[in-house]
Amino acid sequence: DAGVIQSPRHEVTEMGQEVTLRCKPISGHNSLFWYRQTMMRGLELLIYFNNNVPIDDSGMPEDRFSAKMPNASFSTLKIQPSEPRDSAVYFCASRAGQGGRAQYFGPGTRLTVL
Amino acid sequence: AQTVTQSQPEMSVQEAETVTLSCTYDTSESDYYLFWYKQPPSRQMILVIRQEAYKQQNATENRFSVNFQKAAKSFSLKISDSQLGDAAMYFCAYRSQGSARQLTFGSGTQLTVLP
Repeated sequence: DAGVIQSPRHEVTEMGQEVTLRCKPISGHNSLFWYRQTMMRGLELLIYFNNNVPIDDSGMPEDRFSAKMPNASFSTLKIQPSEPRDSAVYFCASRAGQGGRAQYFGPGTRLTVL
Repeated sequence: AQTVTQSQPEMSVQEAETVTLSCTYDTSESDYYLFWYKQPPSRQMILVIRQEAYKQQNATENRFSVNFQKAAKSFSLKISDSQLGDAAMYFCAYRSQGSARQLTFGSGTQLTVLP
């Protein structure tokens, strides 16, 4: 099992540019989560999909952020336009089923916005 | 809202010794799940152990075990025979049974293993 796959692993961009982060969940997992981690705010849940449908996006900071899950094996998190305060590590996680099953995290994407 | 508190920002342990990381949480719910995640320097989040609140027996995974005290809302992680590879940031996390908003994480404890 390849685990959760994220790309790119590192992204450096300039303020105002569009950034797209990608995630491939573990095959068979029906829930997908996007998190952001910073020193100041720790780990924050941005959005959560279940069966490709966004369930809770209350953590998305503002309209500059959008997430899609066009199918069960792919999701994107887009920031447009990006700002320096968006610099963080962005994690994607997936989970099988409901209940207390654990989430499995990808390696993260380290985003730096100059 | 649930909160998770890790009161030890940093801990250190000698290799082969035992260390306990503390975690407390605040909830009014009776059914929930608790997790410990490990984040090594690679930044990846790795599940260490999980506990269902309805189970009285403490979860164990090899050298990792928990001390779950439901009445005290405490969920500590014990690492036995510590190894250099255990050095990482450890996060305690809470998930209520019926919540659509998923894991609530603590602020983390940075564990250093001394050779």
